[in-house]
Amino acid sequence: DAKTTQPPSMDCAEGRAANLPCNHSTISGNEYVYWYRQIHSQGPQYIIHGLKNNETNEMASLIITEDRKSSTLILPHATLRDTAVYYCIVRANTGNQFYFGTGTSLTVIP
Amino acid sequence: EAQVTQNPRYLITVTGKKLTVTCSQNMNHEYMSWYRQDPGLGLRQIYYSMNVEVTDKGDVPEGYKVSRKEKRNFPLILESPSPNQTSLYFCASSRDRGPPNEKLFFGSGTQLSVL
Repeated sequence: DAKTTQPPSMDCAEGRAANLPCNHSTISGNEYVYWYRQIHSQGPQYIIHGLKNNETNEMASLIITEDRKSSTLILPHATLRDTAVYYCIVRANTGNQFYFGTGTSLTVIP
Repeated sequence: EAQVTQNPRYLITVTGKKLTVTCSQNMNHEYMSWYRQDPGLGLRQIYYSMNVEVTDKGDVPEGYKVSRKEKRNFPLILESPSPNQTSLYFCASSRDRGPPNEKLFFGSGTQLSVL
């Protein structure tokens, strides 16, 4: 599975949209982009995933560029409870191992 | 409630004393896996299991064993723990392995300290 690059940390004002970028320039055609988050030392939590098209669910939106070399996770109205480490992962259905990097530490500021 | 249950939450032990961390899921998932998390290194996969009696090594399997005798349980065994195995451990499960339907559900973690 390809690796990803994320900024180590970001801040966002409460109530504003949080836009978390991820670079995956070596992504292959069969690899999906996944996002998980980890609040403090709890177990990571699934957020969203996608292949080519933009995706939206009750938690967030995922915007994938046309060339698929980067993506952005959008939390539309960040709350203090969204303070967490966010992991961007690329994943192929032929890969058994699952690599989590060090992610982006998002701090939502009151 | 759908969940992955790990026990214990905290464990302090001494070098060489065998221990088992239990993991159980109530979602009838086929795929289960174990991770360790260390500062600056992210989550690294230790072992995974595709189904009952089917297990395989992840990135950092040395010093660990697993078994999958029942679908719901996937214990992590440290036969002779050493201080470098001090870490935060997570168990996870998913209905499917790999996209497009894979969604990992994680347990709440086990903080292990080996003295």
